[in-house]
This record gives sequence, C-alpha cells and structure tokens, in this order.
Amino acid sequence: QVQLQESGPGLVKPSGTLSLTCAVSGGSISSSNWWSWVRQPPGKGLEWIGEIHYSGSTNYNPSLKSRLTISRDKSKNHFSLKLTSVTAADTAVYYCARNLAAFTWFDPWGQGTLVTVSS
Amino acid sequence: SYELTQPPSVSVSPGQTARITCSADALPKQFAYWYQQKPGQAPVLVIYKDSERPSGIPERFSGSSSGTTVTLTISGVQAEDEADYYCQSADSSGTVFGGGTKLTVL
Repeated sequence: QVQLQESGPGLVKPSGTLSLTCAVSGGSISSSNWWSWVRQPPGKGLEWIGEIHYSGSTNYNPSLKSRLTISRDKSKNHFSLKLTSVTAADTAVYYCARNLAAFTWFDPWGQGTLVTVSS
Repeated sequence: SYELTQPPSVSVSPGQTARITCSADALPKQFAYWYQQKPGQAPVLVIYKDSERPSGIPERFSGSSSGTTVTLTISGVQAEDEADYYCQSADSSGTVFGGGTKLTVL
C-alpha cells in the first residue's frame, strides 16, 4: 500500500523559502494519480495548498499561487513544495497526500511535519 | 469565495447518534468527503463521494446529501470516535475544507 513521508527543515526565517519533500513508497508517483499538499496551522483547520499530476500539471490554491511551486521527481519517486516569502502565518503542520483525481479526496496522508517561521 | 460551513462542536453520549452537517451553495454539483482527525495525528478519510465508506472504516460511519447540505452520521457513537471532523469539496478554483467540527463523547 502507498505510504507518504514528508521531510524538510522545521524552522524557516521570515521572508525565506519553505521547502518540503514527500517521499512515496509502496507505489509509483508516475501512476495516474494526483499528489497534494495540505497544511494546518496550530490549533486551526485544514487548508488545501495545491496538487500535481504525474504528468506535471498543477493546481494551486489561488491565495498561495503567487508564492507556490509544486514539482515532482519521477526518478526519486517524490514530489516537492516550495513556498517563498514566508511569514509567521505560514507556520503549520504540512501534510502530503494522494488523490485519485484533481480536486477529489485525499487518501492516504503522510504523518505531517511542523514548519515554524521565526527568526 | 467558496466556503463550507460546519458547526464548531457536537456533543453526544456513548451509544447515541451524532450528526455533523456541512453546507455550501455549490455542494449539489460537487461530491463531498469527510475526514476524522485525532490529536497529533493526520486526518483519515471516513466518507468519500458523499456516502461511500472506505474499506476499514466501521459501518457506524455513514454519509448523506440533501440539497445544499451533506451530513456525516455516526451511529452508536463510541468513546474512540471523539475527534475533529472535516468536510471537503471543490469548486472551479480548487479544493476547500470546512472549518471542522469537534465531536465530544460525553
């Protein structure tokens, strides 16, 4: 069964770039799925960040689109998130997840990784 | 912008039925999905396409849709069902989550 694992720095400075990677195991990122990022600020609800198809097509949350890049590396079987010009409002647990089609349900999810934006 | 509205909290006694609603203008055109999230854990899908239950999810979890509202029903609530529940759907701009409902088992 597919499993996902997020990795990346837990602390990012304000105005810097947040970079995370999601390693996919038990399946290929080149299968006909979409691969997504969702975040959750401490004590708050879930926010969809964006998604990437194995072909490279992407869909982004309009509120983050100007700062966001999601990419995938087929050779490493992982996909990545880059968010630029971060502020304290970007502090959150970041989850990666699989969705079978664009804008549909997420299953499974990674365990999540906390990223704190602070100097 | 597109929003999904959930009650902040629902409380039930063990063995009773919990109903958590999620409403939005666009729901009749898009499927809704439901997740359970326990403290410190990632969300888990409990309902997809309004009323389908993934394998491994107990039968006491069910979903329904009526007009602009979808409902997650948990029959015979158990203490282990205490968690936050989120609905999810989409419009032309992308995926949206409801604000979440905290289910308390009294």
